[in-house]
Amino acid sequence: DAKTTQPTSMDCAEGRAANLPCNHSTISGNEYVYWYRQIHSQGPQYIIHGLKNNETNEMASLIITEDRKSSTLILPHATLRDTAVYYCIALRSFGNEKLTFGTGTRLTIIP
Amino acid sequence: SAVISQKPSRDICQRGTSLTIQCQVDSQVTMMFWYRQQPGQSLTLIATANQGSEATYESGFVIDKFPISRPNLTFSTLTVSNMSPEDSSIYLCSVEDLARVEQFFGPGTRLTVL
Repeated sequence: DAKTTQPTSMDCAEGRAANLPCNHSTISGNEYVYWYRQIHSQGPQYIIHGLKNNETNEMASLIITEDRKSSTLILPHATLRDTAVYYCIALRSFGNEKLTFGTGTRLTIIP
Repeated sequence: SAVISQKPSRDICQRGTSLTIQCQVDSQVTMMFWYRQQPGQSLTLIATANQGSEATYESGFVIDKFPISRPNLTFSTLTVSNMSPEDSSIYLCSVEDLARVEQFFGPGTRLTVL
């Protein structure tokens, strides 16, 4: 799996958009970008994933650059409940690979 | 999405004893995983539990220390054997649903070894 690099921590004001960057410069053409988050004392939670097109669901949007070397997870209107550690993971497919977690970005939403 | 429950949710154990953690899923799944999360750290995969065959362990983890059972497609256990304080961690069960192309996680078992 391609290695991903994320900032260690970020702050965001409540109600504003939280933009979490991820670098994956060695990503291969068949690797997806997955985002999970872990709220304190809970198991990780799936957020979104994409291959090369931008994706949006009820939780977030995922913007992937055209060269696929980086991506940004966007939480459009951050709330205090979005405070968590966010993990960006490159993965070809489930079934053949295992989900491997890096250190992630600790996002703190400030009232 | 798959609903995963773990028992116990937390425990405090004495050095040298063993604890078995149970993972129950509300639907049949092909693959189940066990992760460890040491205090302040990220998740580390311990092993993959496959129904009908032996678990596959990651580097640094051995069957004698972390025996795993997978008797059917909805249940698995992880035993932490001969515990030491270094085993104090959160242990998480995870399942993969190929049909949904997602991996779901249980709430975790918080283990403290004295």
